Amino acid sequence: ELKVEQNPLFLSMQEGKNYTIYCNYSTTSDRLYWYRQDPGKSLESLFVLLSNGAVKQEGRLMASLDTKARLSTLHITAAVHDLSATYFCAVDMGSNYQLIWGAGTKLIIKP
Amino acid sequence: ETGVTQSPTHLIKTRGQQVTLRCSSQSGHNTVSWYQQALGQGPQFIFQYYREEENGRGNFPPRFSGLQFPNYSSELNVNALELDDSALYLCASRLAGGRADTQYFGPGTRLTVL
Repeated sequence: ELKVEQNPLFLSMQEGKNYTIYCNYSTTSDRLYWYRQDPGKSLESLFVLLSNGAVKQEGRLMASLDTKARLSTLHITAAVHDLSATYFCAVDMGSNYQLIWGAGTKLIIKP
Repeated sequence: ETGVTQSPTHLIKTRGQQVTLRCSSQSGHNTVSWYQQALGQGPQFIFQYYREEENGRGNFPPRFSGLQFPNYSSELNVNALELDDSALYLCASRLAGGRADTQYFGPGTRLTVL
């Protein structure tokens, strides 16, 4: 059974700091997604990572995938308050694009 | 805006009742998935429909059922509601075909079972 673990589950940080969210998964997969969710809102797609060594960047967020280590990271550079949200990683089970989700990392960025 | 809409936004039901939630996918998207998201948790995959047929199901009992229609709309039906069914229900649509296809989520329906 595929399991997806994120850590930390909660992160409070100051503006301007850097930090990394980790996503580990238990079985082979070559497709991993990162989503953002604001309170009471739906899920917004951030990144799709499709192969080992994939790295994608958008603004202050950068995501990477290491399929051998079964690990993805979401790195936040010089955090700003607007990045406060819950971030989810989701891993494709390899069959019909059924996604298994992590529990989410709630990120609070203080001015 | 993802182009995916859901109705209703909020719904309150009592235990034992039945509920139908609706989703309108992006035009041309032939695949729709439904997820249940309990408060403070990640989404749980319920099932997926491709070209009007179920082609994948998560660990949910048969009282969760669905339909997909040719006009890119779909339904999630839940019978014999239980208190634990209280959650945010999300639908997501995509166009099956490419490796990089992304699911686009609707805003969700918040279901409360009393």
